[in-house]
Amino acid sequence: AQTVTQSQPEMSVQEAETVTLSCTYDTSESDYYLFWYKQPPSRQMILVIRQEAYKQQNATENRFSVNFQKAAKSFSLKISDSQLGDAAMYFCAYHDSHDMRFGAGTRLTVKP
Amino acid sequence: DTAVSQTPKYLVTQMGNDKSIKCEQNLGHDTMYWYKQDSKKFLKIMFSYNNKELIINETVPNRFSPKSPDKAHLNLHINSLELGDSAVYFCASSQGGTSGGAEFFGPGTRLTVL
Repeated sequence: AQTVTQSQPEMSVQEAETVTLSCTYDTSESDYYLFWYKQPPSRQMILVIRQEAYKQQNATENRFSVNFQKAAKSFSLKISDSQLGDAAMYFCAYHDSHDMRFGAGTRLTVKP
Repeated sequence: DTAVSQTPKYLVTQMGNDKSIKCEQNLGHDTMYWYKQDSKKFLKIMFSYNNKELIINETVPNRFSPKSPDKAHLNLHINSLELGDSAVYFCASSQGGTSGGAEFFGPGTRLTVL
């Protein structure tokens, strides 16, 4: 079974600074997607960014970007110019046609 | 306009009861999902439906059954509720196939089994 590992249970960042959240995964599939989801205290799940495995170019969404290292099975999320509203749980997820797995989450605190 | 809605948002019930959670999406998406988030925030996919066909069925107890009357709805029925079913259940939807993953989530339904 595919596994997704987030090795940082908690992270903190100063407002306006940059932070990187780590994620590694294990799979034998060649066709899959990787995701970062955000869950603020409101409980609402929000898709932050998605990466298709066959695309070599790293996905970006405004202040959010990923570093996708397919050979190393690594998928980190970089948040630039951190804002107070970025404080949340962040979940890394793996998805192929047969399976979907989430990491355990990283709680991000943003300090003013 | 809510993209993905779930009802109810909170559900408190006794062990052994049967309950349903409704989900509707107004995005015209092809695929809908149900996820479970336990008390430790761990997320797990339960089901996904694409064009009324079950695509992924995780090893959940058969007390849980998804019902999709049409493309815009995916309801979750739970029979003989157990204490361990207490969790937050999220409905979600996406355009395209199930391998693309969920794009929009509902607000969640917090189920408490007493």
